[in-house]
Amino acid sequence: KAGVTQTPRYLIKTRGQQVTLSCSPISGHRSVSWYQQTPGQGLQFLFEYFSETQRNKGNFPGRFSGRQFSNSRSEMNVSTLELGDSALYLCASSKDSSRLSYEQYFGPGTRLTVT
Amino acid sequence: GENVEQHPSTLSVQEGDSAVIKCTYSDSASNYFPWYKQELGKRPQLIIDIRSNVGEKKDQRIAVTLNKTAKHFSLHITETQPEDSAVYFCAASTPRLGGTASKLTFGTGTRLQVTL
Repeated sequence: KAGVTQTPRYLIKTRGQQVTLSCSPISGHRSVSWYQQTPGQGLQFLFEYFSETQRNKGNFPGRFSGRQFSNSRSEMNVSTLELGDSALYLCASSKDSSRLSYEQYFGPGTRLTVT
Repeated sequence: GENVEQHPSTLSVQEGDSAVIKCTYSDSASNYFPWYKQELGKRPQLIIDIRSNVGEKKDQRIAVTLNKTAKHFSLHITETQPEDSAVYFCAASTPRLGGTASKLTFGTGTRLQVTL
């Protein structure tokens, strides 16, 4: 079974621009969560989508948004980029069955650099 | 919200020795505790997890223990090998209304170095 995939793997943007990152979950997984990883703040939860609905949200400004499509693929968007948005953005997928499976499996991440 | 503290931040052991990493959490409602291993430049990998109805779980050389009363859980690696060198993250998941939970709160990570 293929793992979680993310595109692109690397991005360089300038301040003020916007960016869209994509995540394809493991086949059969319906939940997709996004995390930001930085050396200073560690791994921080951004949001989680299930059945095209945002179910949970972390403490990030409204410049960070996401969506999920009917095939469970998810995108996140960051508008008006700031230098502090430079980070590794990880998505994780979960089966989220009725048995409350919590295991989350991570993709390789998108390394975003804002200059 | 949930807060997870992890110690130590760095740990150096000799090959063959044991390594222990400890985490504490703040929300007594948290009920799922995974551990991830992240090698340099790679994705976090789920290595073991434990649910709140279990006190200990073992998988070959790794084990996790959970003390719900004290709200802490630990990762134990025995007979360490150089390939165990990585950053290890603990996490806690707190259920939302309706019983499902997908938000993980992570500890700050422990850099484990296994020396020959």
